[in-house]
Amino acid sequence: NAGVTQTPKFQVLKTGQSMTLQCAQDMNHEYMSWYRQDPGMGLRLIHYSVGAGITDQGEVPNGYNVSRSTTEDFPLRLLSAAPSQTSVYFCASSLRGGAAFATNEKLFFGSGTQLSVL
Amino acid sequence: AQKVTQAQTEISVVEKEDVTLDCVYETRDTTYYLFWYKQPPSGELVFLIRRNSFDEQNEISGRYSWNFQKSTSSFNFTITASQVVDSAVYFCALRGGGKLIFGQGTTLQVKP
Repeated sequence: NAGVTQTPKFQVLKTGQSMTLQCAQDMNHEYMSWYRQDPGMGLRLIHYSVGAGITDQGEVPNGYNVSRSTTEDFPLRLLSAAPSQTSVYFCASSLRGGAAFATNEKLFFGSGTQLSVL
Repeated sequence: AQKVTQAQTEISVVEKEDVTLDCVYETRDTTYYLFWYKQPPSGELVFLIRRNSFDEQNEISGRYSWNFQKSTSSFNFTITASQVVDSAVYFCALRGGGKLIFGQGTTLQVKP
């Protein structure tokens, strides 16, 4: 099982450049989300999605866009990268989203993308 | 608003000592879920436990145990007889509605 796959693992950008962090899961999970991890700040939720065509903002959405055109993919777009976006980014998914926490709320994480913006 | 606080930034113990990681949460939801995750030096996040707001039973899994107290909004994690392999960052998290909110994390260093 591939689980949650994030690409790339490492990326260096210049200020103002744009890029997309890819996240794909093969578990037919409804819920997908993006987090950023910064020292002393823990993991902060950027955006999340409870199903194809549905996205919502998390704690720190500014500077990031997402879309969910398929169940499998949840890309995170940086439109104009800034040094403040230097971080480690994690994608995570779970079987169900929203209020329907029926049987399995375990969150599966990708291996992370280390992004540096110069 | 939801919030998770892990007041202990770093803890250092000697192998075989018991250690407790504190987690305090805030939520207005009546139904919510609490989690603990482990992040070893390799970086991946490893699920340890999930607890729902209606189940206040303490849980033990090997050397790990969790104490959930709604009266104090706490969900503390104890490692008994710690080992060097327990060295990691541990995150407590709260899920209600569509969001999973993490605490700041506690770095545990277990010295041989």
